[in-house]
Amino acid sequence: NAGVMQNPRHLVRRRGQEARLRCSPMKGHSHVYWYRQLPEEGLKFMVYLQKENIIDESGMPKERFSAEFPKEGPSILRIQQVVRGDSAAYFCASSPRGGSNTEAFFGQGTRLTVV
Amino acid sequence: GQNIDQPTEMTATEGAIVQINCTYQTSGFNGLFWYQQHAGEAPTFLSYNVLDGLEEKGRFSSFLSRSKGYSYLLLKELQMKDSASYLCAVRTSNDYKLSFGAGTTVTVRA
Repeated sequence: NAGVMQNPRHLVRRRGQEARLRCSPMKGHSHVYWYRQLPEEGLKFMVYLQKENIIDESGMPKERFSAEFPKEGPSILRIQQVVRGDSAAYFCASSPRGGSNTEAFFGQGTRLTVV
Repeated sequence: GQNIDQPTEMTATEGAIVQINCTYQTSGFNGLFWYQQHAGEAPTFLSYNVLDGLEEKGRFSSFLSRSKGYSYLLLKELQMKDSASYLCAVRTSNDYKLSFGAGTTVTVRA
């Protein structure tokens, strides 16, 4: 049973380019969460999605960032016109259901470097 | 907002015990999680406390006091492979997202 799969593991983009980060949840999981981890900081919640629905995007920057979780395929976190401050590790987590008593399983992250 | 504090770094000797404290001030509370994260790897779940008291799981134990907004993770019989970052995370009431502390880097020395 594969865990949460994220790709790519490492991504380098020049300023102004677009970054696409992919997350395939664990089998049977329909809830996906994206977190960002800046150097020397804790993980910060960005967005919570279920299939075809964004449930909570309160942690997403208002501009340039978007997320989706289509009916088929992985969840995508998209960052347009990247800037150096976007350099971070982006982690995806999944759970079989939502709610407060559900443990989330994390992927290994995508490390984005903007040059 | 949420405020979760834990020490930045701790060092201990192989075979010893280390206690990592976490204090939190959050708008509501519905569970506290501890995760282990090795450099460049995914956070992996260690423990979950929602009621006061001690939860023991092998060499790792976690304690919670809701009235004090306080938790600790106790690592016994330390091994070199326990060198990692340990993340304290709080889930607020009626919520699903986790608020994380900055993590405590534990270094185990021979």
